[in-house]
Amino acid sequence: EPEVTQTPSHQVTQMGQEVILRCVPISNHLYFYWYRQILGQKVEFLVSFYNNEISEKSEIFDDQFSVERPDGSNFTLKIRSTKLEDSAMYFCASYLGAGGTDTQYFGPGTRLTVL
Amino acid sequence: EDQVTQSPEALRLQEGESSSLNCSYTVSGLRGLFWYRQDPGKGPEFLFTLYSAGEEKEKERLKATLTKKESFLHITAPKPEDSATYLCAVQADYGGSQGNLIFGKGTKLSVKP
Repeated sequence: EPEVTQTPSHQVTQMGQEVILRCVPISNHLYFYWYRQILGQKVEFLVSFYNNEISEKSEIFDDQFSVERPDGSNFTLKIRSTKLEDSAMYFCASYLGAGGTDTQYFGPGTRLTVL
Repeated sequence: EDQVTQSPEALRLQEGESSSLNCSYTVSGLRGLFWYRQDPGKGPEFLFTLYSAGEEKEKERLKATLTKKESFLHITAPKPEDSATYLCAVQADYGGSQGNLIFGKGTKLSVKP
């Protein structure tokens, strides 16, 4: 069964450093998302992406964040200058689009630890 | 503000002891309500989507139901492998089928043998 994959599974970085989290969405899906989950808290929406541009973003997704689909398979989340409060699990999700089921399928997550 | 509240926060059951998890929501037009299962350190795993009041979906020992204000996840004769955190999420009408999900904090279910 097709699945969303994410790398790395765990990333440790120093405050102020840039990190790039990578995702490979399900191959024929058209919509891509990033969510995050701070330990013990809710899963929160960050950004959605369609047709090579951001379609929606939350208040969390400020100028320190950016997303990109550099090729036909990868979808990345970049944090330019990490802060301690960016420590969280980051989940990528993908959705087929109109004509399919409405389900967003999630990857296994990247645990980001900012020291 | 769109919001999802799940109760209880944690639930301990004996194997075979049936129970229900609650998800109450306020959203300006519900497009869909989703149930996911999350194991520790893993991503949410899709279980069900419900669209309209009165709808029910079943999968093995799980049954999800929907009213205009809340959803229930009924677990019949649970087994230890059902232990996980169950997440409820809503998708608002204004976002369309591609809109973001708004999650509750989840109910952590533990089933003891």
